Amino acid sequence: DADVTQTPRNRITKTGKRIMLECSQTKGHDRMYWYRQDPGLGLRLIYYSFDVKDINKGEISDGYSVSRQAQAKFSLSLESAIPNQTALYFCATSDAGLVNQPQHFGDGTRLSIL
Amino acid sequence: DQQVKQNSPSLSVQEGRISILNCDYTNSMFDYFLWYKKYPAEGPTFLISISSIKDKNEDGRFTVFLNKSAKHLSLHIVPSQPGDSAVYFCAASARGSTLGRLYFGRGTQLTVWP
Repeated sequence: DADVTQTPRNRITKTGKRIMLECSQTKGHDRMYWYRQDPGLGLRLIYYSFDVKDINKGEISDGYSVSRQAQAKFSLSLESAIPNQTALYFCATSDAGLVNQPQHFGDGTRLSIL
Repeated sequence: DQQVKQNSPSLSVQEGRISILNCDYTNSMFDYFLWYKKYPAEGPTFLISISSIKDKNEDGRFTVFLNKSAKHLSLHIVPSQPGDSAVYFCAASARGSTLGRLYFGRGTQLTVWP
């Protein structure tokens, strides 16, 4: 089983709809992150969380919100989806206990907004 | 403003030869650098990292070199194999960052042909 699981893997929806992308992890990591990837732009950070009581905006948080329901779960919401939010979305986790730790990614959600 | 830059969107190398992927950064506070590999329909996978106290780190066929004065790092793959064909992302994090936040380059598509 994957350590970082994202659902759904693919989603097509219409402009104006509310969408939630979910992420769960079995790695026991405190830190969780949401990124989006657009062709030719690499990964850009949307939101990140230190623990269940900590939520921080990343570089492109406008139009998104998040919820850290438990240590293992971090969901991303698009309140009113628009076409330029069509992208590949990745959740990641890292261990807060040690310095300089890599982040571990899920397999992504491909989101298309018509 | 892109703080981590991968100026070559693609690289094509023959099997058995060396692949060299390059990355430049602008933030002098960066002190931890990582390379990720990404296959289609999968999330990025951590490959190798280097701390700024070192100038080289090796793991099997993969070696990362860091030139702090030039703010440049490179990933060498020797010998290259067809299974190495993927997108490679360079990433960095800043000294004193308690958040483990990573800054990513835009990626380089490596193609290894037989």
